[in-house]
Amino acid sequence: QSVLTQPPSVSGAPGQRVTISCTGSSSNIGAGYDVHWYQQLPGTAPKLLIYGNSNRPSGVPDRFSGSKSGTSASLAITGLQAEDEADYYCQSYDSSLSGSGVVFGGGTKLTVL
Amino acid sequence: QVQLVQSGSELKKPGASVKVSCKASGYTFTSYAMNWVRQAPGQGLEWMGWINTNTGNPTYAQGFTGRFVFSLDTSVSTAYLQISSLKAEDTAVYYCAREWGNNWFDPWGQGTLVTVSS
Repeated sequence: QSVLTQPPSVSGAPGQRVTISCTGSSSNIGAGYDVHWYQQLPGTAPKLLIYGNSNRPSGVPDRFSGSKSGTSASLAITGLQAEDEADYYCQSYDSSLSGSGVVFGGGTKLTVL
Repeated sequence: QVQLVQSGSELKKPGASVKVSCKASGYTFTSYAMNWVRQAPGQGLEWMGWINTNTGNPTYAQGFTGRFVFSLDTSVSTAYLQISSLKAEDTAVYYCAREWGNNWFDPWGQGTLVTVSS
């Protein structure tokens, strides 16, 4: 069971907009820690997609955007393309009485219909 | 360009040990922490911990103490993950990843599949 909660799957038709949520708590996202997003294409290593809640690394299309509010964050993908079909993971930092460290969401599989 | 290149797949028997390497290039190795992440077959990403590449001090996440050891050879810009007393449940892809800024990871190594089977 992951500290950050993501929907197991989302889907959309080419050209559509989809969003993937990442829900945390007061010990991670709600505590002000940044949220980062990764895209993992089948059989490959994760790739940084969004860092610092809403920043895109060089080379990432502006179809991808991130936001954060309260104890949650979201990844939006507009103009859906077939090559966007992948697993997406959110990541943050958690600090509580039981310890602290990096935490990931359980991942969301995006299917392009 | 900045890249991390990991060692190849390993097939080990239960009880054996394995050492995975992660060679960095394109940047100053000791300027960025190195993290390790596990991905079991069909599962999500699990953070294992990190190593300070300046001091060599490792920090292990819960569940990765005892049998897991992070180490460095700064002379060849390489980080290592050693797992001892391997169990079937250690079967996974293990990734190294350079840490930037507020704990984001970029780039990642290509991953090393460790299979534990008798």
